[in-house]
Amino acid sequence: DAGITQSPRHKVTETGTPVTLRCHQTENHRYMYWYRQDPGHGLRLIHYSYGVKDTDKGEVSDGYSVSRSKTEDFLLTLESATSSQTSVYFCAISDRRQPRGYTFGSGTRLTVV
Amino acid sequence: DQQVKQNSPSLSVQEGRISILNCDYTNSMFDYFLWYKKYPAEGPTFLISISSIKDKNEDGRFTVFLNKSAKHLSLHIVPSQPGDSAVYFCAATYGSSNTGKLIFGQGTTLQVKP
Repeated sequence: DAGITQSPRHKVTETGTPVTLRCHQTENHRYMYWYRQDPGHGLRLIHYSYGVKDTDKGEVSDGYSVSRSKTEDFLLTLESATSSQTSVYFCAISDRRQPRGYTFGSGTRLTVV
Repeated sequence: DQQVKQNSPSLSVQEGRISILNCDYTNSMFDYFLWYKKYPAEGPTFLISISSIKDKNEDGRFTVFLNKSAKHLSLHIVPSQPGDSAVYFCAATYGSSNTGKLIFGQGTTLQVKP
């Protein structure tokens, strides 16, 4: 499998607190993505990065920020967590074996109480 | 506005029979389509894909059909096996490079009964 790991795997946090999720890759891919998965909505793109310090918004970026200071790490931050951000978050990188496809991490289940 | 739609949230089939999962899209610029499979507590994994220049792609028990005029694609699994029970997402993208963003449907949960 492609080297992509997410941490933490599970997190419970309180409303209003900041939360940072980490995605780490060992594949030296330029592009990295953050998605959230919710019932009835499938996978929706939050933010993506096309290089160190180069990021852009996806379709559901409100309330989220990202940073990429190194090729291998892509961080997703919820500045002030809300209950609507309870979700499963997936990081993805390009899949060398499948043109135009992604390899996904195992996900982070975030619960905001 | 949902550009990729999977209108059936769930599907149940008997082992050995055919499973047909459907997906519709609205953006005529999409030129590449993929299906992903997801087990609980795991990330989605690539299953099969099809370019818009084709109308069919087959890989073992899995076949994807593309009807561009109807903006519709389907995934056929024959024969279905209990291990195929999972959530299936269709995805679409466009652009000339391999860096185009994937747009996903809502997913269909397939249950294959022994």
